[in-house]
Amino acid sequence: KAGVTQTPRYLIKTRGQQVTLSCSPISGHRSVSWYQQTPGQGLQFLFEYFSETQRNKGNFPGRFSGRQFSNSRSEMNVSTLELGDSALYLCASSLTAEGEQFFGPGTRLTVL
Amino acid sequence: DQQVKQNSPSLSVQEGRISILNCDYTNSMFDYFLWYKKYPAEGPTFLISISSIKDKNEDGRFTVFLNKSAKHLSLHIVPSQPGDSAVYFCAASKGYSTLTFGKGTMLLVSP
Repeated sequence: KAGVTQTPRYLIKTRGQQVTLSCSPISGHRSVSWYQQTPGQGLQFLFEYFSETQRNKGNFPGRFSGRQFSNSRSEMNVSTLELGDSALYLCASSLTAEGEQFFGPGTRLTVL
Repeated sequence: DQQVKQNSPSLSVQEGRISILNCDYTNSMFDYFLWYKKYPAEGPTFLISISSIKDKNEDGRFTVFLNKSAKHLSLHIVPSQPGDSAVYFCAASKGYSTLTFGKGTMLLVSP
């Protein structure tokens, strides 16, 4: 069974631009969560989607948004990029909203 | 305010010895605790978990201990192997909901 896939794996953007990251969960998994990992803050929860509905949202500004499609694939968008948005963005999927989370390899975003 | 704390950024251990990774939490509502291991260029992988109704859970070389009164948990790896070298994240949740992670501890096991 294929794991969680994230595209692209690496991305370089400049300040002020916007970016869209994609996550394909494990087949059959309906819950997708997004995390930001930075050296200083560890893994911080961004948001969680289940059956196309946002169930939980972390403490991030409105520039960070996401959505989930009917096939459970999810995208997150960051608008008006700032240097501090440089991070590894991790997506995790689970079979149910309360199930064990399986992580993808992440998208490394660098903002110049 | 950081609700899950891993105060040791790194730990070095010799192969065959015990590795002890520590984690403290402040939110008394947390009742489910997990450890994840992360290699470079890969996402975290689930290692072991424990619910608040237990004080110990064992899986092969890995044992997690929970001290609810001290709001402290630890991961013991015995014996440590070079392949265990990775970043270890402690995570906690209320029920099985959103995970709150610590900042991680980098474990280096030398031959």
